[in-house]
Amino acid sequence: EAQVTQNPRYLITVTGKKLTVTCSQNMNHEYMSWYRQDPGLGLRQIYYSMNVEVTDKGDVPEGYKVSRKEKRNFPLILESPSPNQTSLYFCASSLERGQGTRNTGELFFGEGSRLTVL
Amino acid sequence: KQEVTQIPAALSVPEGENLVLNCSFTDSAIYNLQWFRQDPGKGLTSLLLIQSSQREQTSGRLNASLDKSSGRSTLYIAASQPGDSATYLCAVRGNYGQNFVFGPGTRLSVLP
Repeated sequence: EAQVTQNPRYLITVTGKKLTVTCSQNMNHEYMSWYRQDPGLGLRQIYYSMNVEVTDKGDVPEGYKVSRKEKRNFPLILESPSPNQTSLYFCASSLERGQGTRNTGELFFGEGSRLTVL
Repeated sequence: KQEVTQIPAALSVPEGENLVLNCSFTDSAIYNLQWFRQDPGKGLTSLLLIQSSQREQTSGRLNASLDKSSGRSTLYIAASQPGDSATYLCAVRGNYGQNFVFGPGTRLSVLP
């Protein structure tokens, strides 16, 4: 089954304790992205990756790091979490544009990770 | 830079009504447009995807149309049901540069 898997789904942590949210996709997608969603602010992009070893900042990258060492994985790292990073996080992936005539470029989402930083 | 807006921001209708949700975008050089549904606190479920060469897509009671020249897409929901209550988001993927740009969503309530 084609899917994007995030872990953990729920996490409560304390300020300053480093954490990693993992994201893995089994569709051989080039493009992967992280979003956060907060009430009234909609979906905001944190970082994205166009392929292995290629990452770029989104709209709200401060306080986050990412890496793309393998095509299937795109972990989100919070080196020193703060309460303002309490949010619902989503990972998403897609084939890059132009990869064959059957490529619709559909974006697939993980189920989300709810993070609370105390 | 692509900007995506959705009107209305919120909509409340009685069960059984047909309704239209709107999505507008500023740059017509798009690769595709995708409609999603999101229940409160849950993930995003893909409803329909329209590629740039297409005019519409249908799935059950849902029909999405695309007019690139005017920068608009509409999501038509026929015979609405309370189970349709959710937030509906549209996302535009550009032909180049920035990939996916999301609208703020329309929060739909269908009253029994």
